[in-house]
Amino acid sequence: GAVVSQHPSWVICKSGTSVKIECRSLDFQATTMFWYRQFPKQSLMLMATSNEGSKATYEQGVEKDKFLINHASLTLSTLTVTSAHPEDSSFYICSAGTPRMQYFGPGTRLTVT
Amino acid sequence: AQKITQTQPGMFVQEKEAVTLDCTYDTSDPSYGLFWYKQPSSGEMIFLIYQGSYDQQNATEGRYSLNFQKARKSANLVISASQLGDSAMYFCAMREQQGETSGSRLTFGEGTQLTVNP
Repeated sequence: GAVVSQHPSWVICKSGTSVKIECRSLDFQATTMFWYRQFPKQSLMLMATSNEGSKATYEQGVEKDKFLINHASLTLSTLTVTSAHPEDSSFYICSAGTPRMQYFGPGTRLTVT
Repeated sequence: AQKITQTQPGMFVQEKEAVTLDCTYDTSDPSYGLFWYKQPSSGEMIFLIYQGSYDQQNATEGRYSLNFQKARKSANLVISASQLGDSAMYFCAMREQQGETSGSRLTFGEGTQLTVNP
């Protein structure tokens, strides 16, 4: 079946630095990918929709200048957390697929110290 | 706006028994899709089952079945013959109507933590 990968699986960074997370569709092309954030013991919340070749669409309340999304190809979307702060520590998950099937990456656990 | 409600924060079941996880939804779109995902402690989201709003029959996938009651706007997940490995968080999710060629953003419920006891 289709596979979505994410890299890195976990990252620790210092406050004020930037972190890039990659999301790849390994055996299918994805014109649209989605980025979610999940805090401990909470549900997944959609942050933004990543569209290949165009600007991402951000959900209300998500700072587009802080969470930069680039969807440069049909198999790769990147999320960059700029000037990270401890409150950005979370589990970030991407997904891609079809209307009847959404495949999720394994997630990236970000810890900002 | 769409909304997904999972009213059971936690559920317990004995091994080998069946368990039902509740999910209700609210939408005005005639075309929508409902998903169930399992999230173990590792964090990965494992797809379990899908039900389209126009599907005539309830979806089944092995030990998983979806009790779809459209008029009640409920899509309960039934797990038969529970196994210890079924212990995890379970999320119900709904796809917005965006057409068959567009991406499929999902709105998730709050989740149900299932614990299977030996």
